[in-house]
Amino acid sequence: DTEVTQTPKHLVMGMTNKKSLKCEQHMGHRAMYWYKQKAKKPPELMFVYSYEKLSINESVPSRFSPECPNSSLLNLHLHALQPEDSALYLCASSLSGGVSNEKLFFGSGTQLSVL
Amino acid sequence: AQSVSQHNHHVILSEAASLELGCNYSYGGTVNLFWYVQYPGQHLQLLLKYFSGDPLVKGIKGFEAEFIKSKFSFNLRKPSVQWSDTAEYFCAVNARGGYQKVTFGIGTKLQVIP
Repeated sequence: DTEVTQTPKHLVMGMTNKKSLKCEQHMGHRAMYWYKQKAKKPPELMFVYSYEKLSINESVPSRFSPECPNSSLLNLHLHALQPEDSALYLCASSLSGGVSNEKLFFGSGTQLSVL
Repeated sequence: AQSVSQHNHHVILSEAASLELGCNYSYGGTVNLFWYVQYPGQHLQLLLKYFSGDPLVKGIKGFEAEFIKSKFSFNLRKPSVQWSDTAEYFCAVNARGGYQKVTFGIGTKLQVIP
């Protein structure tokens, strides 16, 4: 199994809603990532977890809250989002996260629309 | 901070034409360089990477890239494209050492006409 699975594929939420994005991999990877990609822009790193600990937070607003309950699962909790947060949210994983030349395995993403 | 520039945002080629996509990076130290590809309806996947050794790197599906340190460049090439190469191509850079903090370029959409 060489897949990173993201659910849901599409999500529409209001600014007062609380929702969560889920990401799962069963490749034994110990590093997991959240990227945000707006239309016609490159993916931008949000968070990195390595061995279930948050190692990088790219100054992301607190309305985005990541969680890594175990080495196979990564969540992104969303609360009080703004319309400008509408984007494709990509999850990725790599073997350990501690080696900078590792290959990233990406999921297909969750397309989020905030109304 | 590291950054990546991709010069061609949309490229249209006929089958069997040669391809070269430009990529320049900005970073003061040693880097790892990547090309990722996203085929229509699929997720991003690694095409090839460079981190040391021979600056000419060969990847999947006949693609290659050459790291030219003096030019801060990592251009992607393929001698003869196929319709199935239609995709979006992203150049990416990561500073050597430490955690994976990959910075992506804006991407180049390649359309190959049969």
